[in-house]
Amino acid sequence: GAVVSQHPSRVICKSGTSVKIECRSLDFQATTMFWYRQFPKKSLMLMATSNEGSKATYEQGVEKDKFLINHASLTLSTLTVTSAHPEDSSFYICSAHEGGGTEAFFGQGTRLTVV
Amino acid sequence: AQSVTQLDSQVPVFEEAPVELRCNYSSSVSVYLFWYVQYPNQGLQLLLKYLSGSTLVKGINGFEAEFNKSQTSFHLRKPSVHISDTAEYFCAVSDRDGATNKLIFGTGTLLAVQP
Repeated sequence: GAVVSQHPSRVICKSGTSVKIECRSLDFQATTMFWYRQFPKKSLMLMATSNEGSKATYEQGVEKDKFLINHASLTLSTLTVTSAHPEDSSFYICSAHEGGGTEAFFGQGTRLTVV
Repeated sequence: AQSVTQLDSQVPVFEEAPVELRCNYSSSVSVYLFWYVQYPNQGLQLLLKYLSGSTLVKGINGFEAEFNKSQTSFHLRKPSVHISDTAEYFCAVSDRDGATNKLIFGTGTLLAVQP
């Protein structure tokens, strides 16, 4: 199956700094990628839909200026958590669909800890 | 709007026993249905999906699920579980006719297999 790679797998940063998370489709092109946030023992919450070459579509309640998404190429989407705070600590996961198909392929996730 | 309900947050079961993880959904449109598995600190892996056709769907690792339109359910079953099946299981839906493949997840069920 298709492979989605997410990097880094873990990151610890200080409050007030920014962190960038990368999501790559390794063997297929993805015009759309999705970013999810998962709280401990909770479900995945869709944050935004990343669209190649255009602005991301954010879900209600997600701060656009806080979570910057850039989808600069057909194989790479990035999520930047700006001015991070401890409450931003979470597990962030991306996904993409090969050829616009129905199956989502997920990255390995990124554990962000803000201290 | 769509929603997914997984009533059981945790299901303890002994090894080699059968198990059923429940999933009910609500939607005003036709949907695709999915079950994903998540191991600790990892992304999600697709177990199986229902797109159309036979309502009994077989997936990986011996799992199967049955789509019941009248009861709006998509319960996951396995006749004999192994220790290695211990993980978080998520049911998800997407809009069949939607412009994107956005997934809506249930809250997850922790399958805890005991020796």
